[in-house]
Amino acid sequence: DSGVTQTPKHLITATGQRVTLRCSPRSGDLSVYWYQQSLDQGLQFLIQYYNGEERAKGNILERFSAQQFPDLHSELNLSSLELGDSALYFCASSVEGASGNTIYFGEGSWLTVV
Amino acid sequence: GQSLEQPSEVTAVEGAIVQINCTYQTSGFYGLSWYQQHDGGAPTFLSYNALDGLEETGRFSSFLSRSDSYCYLLLQELQMKDSASYFCAVSSAQGYQKVTFGTGTKLQVIP
Repeated sequence: DSGVTQTPKHLITATGQRVTLRCSPRSGDLSVYWYQQSLDQGLQFLIQYYNGEERAKGNILERFSAQQFPDLHSELNLSSLELGDSALYFCASSVEGASGNTIYFGEGSWLTVV
Repeated sequence: GQSLEQPSEVTAVEGAIVQINCTYQTSGFYGLSWYQQHDGGAPTFLSYNALDGLEETGRFSSFLSRSDSYCYLLLQELQMKDSASYFCAVSSAQGYQKVTFGTGTKLQVIP
């Protein structure tokens, strides 16, 4: 158990809909990352937050947005969903400045768009 | 920006040794990590190198050459459970630490 909690674990929704994925980082971690992993693909970096502020943006679509709240949990909002958005979405957290900047991943949220 | 290259697939025999190579390009290099991911599971941290040389953790070792922007993960005494994808990830410091993952190497261990 990495200490990073993601909900829901599985989600099936229709095209055009909107979903929210939730993440609670490890206790004490200030950085939260979101990654998308499609079938047999690598980890595509979407966005990073640090202590409530957006730190870095990757290949995140305009239909997607995220935020980190004062209690450090984070949400990833996916709207106008398309079939191609079906993927495993990982949240991860880290303590910046810690040795190795180890990133701890949650178990992921499986999103299926039908 | 940052980019990493690693082979997409590697096959090795149980009990043998396998080396997974990774080359990277980045500015503000801070460190290089390796992660393991089993099918359907979450990536888990394996090792980290900030300085040149070899870091050993049990059956796994990781090597870094900063001058060559090159690293590798060495897995010894391969077991069937080592079949997984292995990602190298570079940490760069540009005012803040950013971590970029490679595309992953799928290791298949065969009997």
